Amino acid sequence: LAKTTQPISMDSYEGQEVNITCSHNNIATNDYITWYQQFPSQGPRFIIQGYKTKVTNEVASLFIPADRKSSTLSLPRVSLSDTAVYYCLVGPRNNAGNMLTFGGGTRLMVKP
Amino acid sequence: EPEVTQTPSHQVTQMGQEVILRCVPISNHLYFYWYRQILGQKVEFLVSFYNNEISEKSEIFDDQFSVERPDGSNFTLKIRSTKLEDSAMYFCASRGLAGGPEKETQYFGPGTRLLVL
Repeated sequence: LAKTTQPISMDSYEGQEVNITCSHNNIATNDYITWYQQFPSQGPRFIIQGYKTKVTNEVASLFIPADRKSSTLSLPRVSLSDTAVYYCLVGPRNNAGNMLTFGGGTRLMVKP
Repeated sequence: EPEVTQTPSHQVTQMGQEVILRCVPISNHLYFYWYRQILGQKVEFLVSFYNNEISEKSEIFDDQFSVERPDGSNFTLKIRSTKLEDSAMYFCASRGLAGGPEKETQYFGPGTRLLVL
């Protein structure tokens, strides 16, 4: 599994755009990049997944450069409720028994 | 929106006792998982289950652990003889068939906080 590196923590203010970058230098050809969000005392929640270029949904955008060695999760106009830990995961998508390997994640603190 | 549910939300037990953690996965999902998270640490994979058998398990999932799908809805994790270091939040997750990231992603339950004294 490709190893991921992301900042341990980030601070932001309400209304700002937050960009969290994840490095995955040894990503494999069949690997996808997936981001999960975890609030305190809750299970992780899927945010977004992509393979290359840009993916956008109602929650976030995911930017992936051509070499795919990094990716950036972009959260537009964050609110206090976006305070959570954000995990970047890299691995194949269609593997039935595929376990998810979580790293330490990025602890985002949104301040008023 | 369908969701994974887990019971109990909290469980306190004595070291050496057996515990059973219960999960009801999303109804049309076919792949089931257990993870745990020790306080302040990473989410760790324990086991995956498909077609009534274990697909994959981690080194954490030793002989003290077992999983079962006793009926069409429940998915359980049993710890036969709990140890102090089993204290953690245990998350169940389920996944549907292929068909795009939203279908293939794992949906997590709210967790059961297990405290072993």
